[in-house]
Amino acid sequence: GAGVSQSPRYKVAKRGQDVALRCDPISGHVSLFWYQQALGQGPEFLTYFQNEAQLDKSGLPSDRFFAERPEGSVSTLKIQRTQQEDSAVYLCASSSRVGQSTGELFFGEGSRLTVL
Amino acid sequence: AQSVAQPEDQVNVAEGNPLTVKCTYSVSGNPYLFWYVQYPNRGLQFLLKYITGDNLVKGSYGFEAEFNKSQTSFHLKKPSALVSDSALYFCAVRGGYSSASKIIFGSGTRLSIRP
Repeated sequence: GAGVSQSPRYKVAKRGQDVALRCDPISGHVSLFWYQQALGQGPEFLTYFQNEAQLDKSGLPSDRFFAERPEGSVSTLKIQRTQQEDSAVYLCASSSRVGQSTGELFFGEGSRLTVL
Repeated sequence: AQSVAQPEDQVNVAEGNPLTVKCTYSVSGNPYLFWYVQYPNRGLQFLLKYITGDNLVKGSYGFEAEFNKSQTSFHLKKPSALVSDSALYFCAVRGGYSSASKIIFGSGTRLSIRP
């Protein structure tokens, strides 16, 4: 497809389980971002990749969160030992520009994670 | 630290009337300002941005926004609202002196247009 694709769209996990969320950015986009959006809130920055390099991971809330983009295209956000406070929508966005300056990000529909 | 505030959780407007969705910001350095819209079960969509130049910026779907440096505001406007404009709107800002500075989103304003 032409847009950013995320899977799964919905994920229910038991507390303590590991989850993996996938993002397929728009082909050729060098920049990829992960955001966390809690109910009723705006997206919160998690991490940023430029091609395969993770240039900023300052928004990852704990060492249970890990993201990778090994070949500079598809990215995976992994959450280990999930906790209830991890319940949120995880948004992926990509951009053809380097960095975050231009702000014109293309977002996927998100992966809604519910931790029971 | 940079921040962005959307003081109204919800804005209600009659179709055909002008609409304004408010946004104020706080950054160091020159601000880069953005508006995004989120329709139900859809991803966020870019509407418009201010980087430099004219204070009035025009974007998609007839929306525009006015950058006001003295009031540190970037309100979203539309002269005549449509029912299809009903959605969640997010203001975002990137400030600082480094291209590595992050984009920060506001908490969102739900716009409801009644027929």
